[in-house]
Amino acid sequence: AQSVSQHNHHVILSEAASLELGCNYSYGGTVNLFWYVQYPGQHLQLLLKYFSGDPLVKGIKGFEAEFIKSKFSFNLRKPSVQWSDTAEYFCAVRLHYGGSQGNLIFGKGTKLSVKP
Amino acid sequence: DSGVTQTPKHLITATGQRVTLRCSPRSGDLSVYWYQQSLDQGLQFLIQYYNGEERAKGNILERFSAQQFPDLHSELNLSSLELGDSALYFCASSVTGRTDTQYFGPGTRLTVL
Repeated sequence: AQSVSQHNHHVILSEAASLELGCNYSYGGTVNLFWYVQYPGQHLQLLLKYFSGDPLVKGIKGFEAEFIKSKFSFNLRKPSVQWSDTAEYFCAVRLHYGGSQGNLIFGKGTKLSVKP
Repeated sequence: DSGVTQTPKHLITATGQRVTLRCSPRSGDLSVYWYQQSLDQGLQFLIQYYNGEERAKGNILERFSAQQFPDLHSELNLSSLELGDSALYFCASSVTGRTDTQYFGPGTRLTVL
């Protein structure tokens, strides 16, 4: 079965440190890729998405992600984190098959704690 | 605020009971999705409706059912509840339900005692 793996369950960083969260998926066909963020007590918000074109995608709040097709990866990055980035981050994949698009498959999430 | 609303915010009930969760999509969105978020399973897709019709089914138990009404709001019915059904239930909506982005509601936290 198709799956999405997020390598880190919990990441703890100090403010101004750089962030990279890993995401790998298992599907050889066409995919759409997403990163969502869930701040404490809030709903999921879209950070960025990749459908096609430039594999380096820029999102909101200074986040970016790079799609590397050969590695089935879509890692999330931010050069300098802030305390307000403390949240849980979810990678999601939508598969394209049989002429119709599938639904989102989520990773288990990575909790990011940023120390002030 | 994503524009997707869900009620109630919290629900506490007992095993064996039946509950209904409600979702109103963003204005103009025709498709509604339901997801379950639990500690052990993570975020899992349950079911999708588009303009009143079921479009896709995920890991939805037979005890669970959903529908989308003519005004496009959706309800998720959970029956014969078990302790393991305790979770956050999210609704998301999108315009076409195909290539577009899904926007999530605030969720309903269900606790089964």
